[in-house]
Amino acid sequence: DIVMTQTPLSLSVTPGQPASISCKSSQSLLHSDGKTYLYWYLQKPGQSPQVLIYEVSSRFSGVPDRFSGSGSGTDFTLKISRVEAEDVGVYYCMQGIHLWTFGPGTKVEIK
Amino acid sequence: QVQLVESGGGVVQPGRSLRLSCVASGFTFSSEGMHWVRQAPGKGLEWVAVIWYDGSNKNYADSVKGRFTISRDNSKNTLYLQLNGLRAEDTAVYYCARAVAGANFFDYWGQGTLVTVSS
Repeated sequence: DIVMTQTPLSLSVTPGQPASISCKSSQSLLHSDGKTYLYWYLQKPGQSPQVLIYEVSSRFSGVPDRFSGSGSGTDFTLKISRVEAEDVGVYYCMQGIHLWTFGPGTKVEIK
Repeated sequence: QVQLVESGGGVVQPGRSLRLSCVASGFTFSSEGMHWVRQAPGKGLEWVAVIWYDGSNKNYADSVKGRFTISRDNSKNTLYLQLNGLRAEDTAVYYCARAVAGANFFDYWGQGTLVTVSS
């Protein structure tokens, strides 16, 4: 089974400042089809999760461009260029190359 | 717009069964794969099961394999999850989610239904 880890597990950010979350997988998420099956979700308080990024770096429809994803193989990063109050919640990375596994989540709060 | 509405949750004793439903609207249900994902109280997300658009293929997390069964009725735009042999550790909010066509992730999620396993 593929294990996903995230660091940090919590983050307190001043509005307008950047934030970065790291995600690592126990196996490469690069498929033979050339795609890398790594995704990022945000679960805002009291809501269902929503997808932010798919295949490492593609923003899902409607996601603000302050969110960006990068990485390859087993190491990935989600960056928020300027955190806004509406970005609070728990961020999860997820792999989809062998069934599906989520990371433990990173709780982002505003200072 | 896409809507997914789960129902069927409740309080159930260990070892008993429950069936969850997810009614879909706003898209061609019979053309899309569907997933169940759960979240224990105060915990993270755990993928549970997937079913292909036509029901021809299913996969399960090891934690539920042999106890849970995913199914669908495309004539009713409804996804199901049969939960048998429930354990305390199955206590969670269960979400249904739509698979993105041609991709290995989920876009739309329902609001979830809470299953509590307790004596």
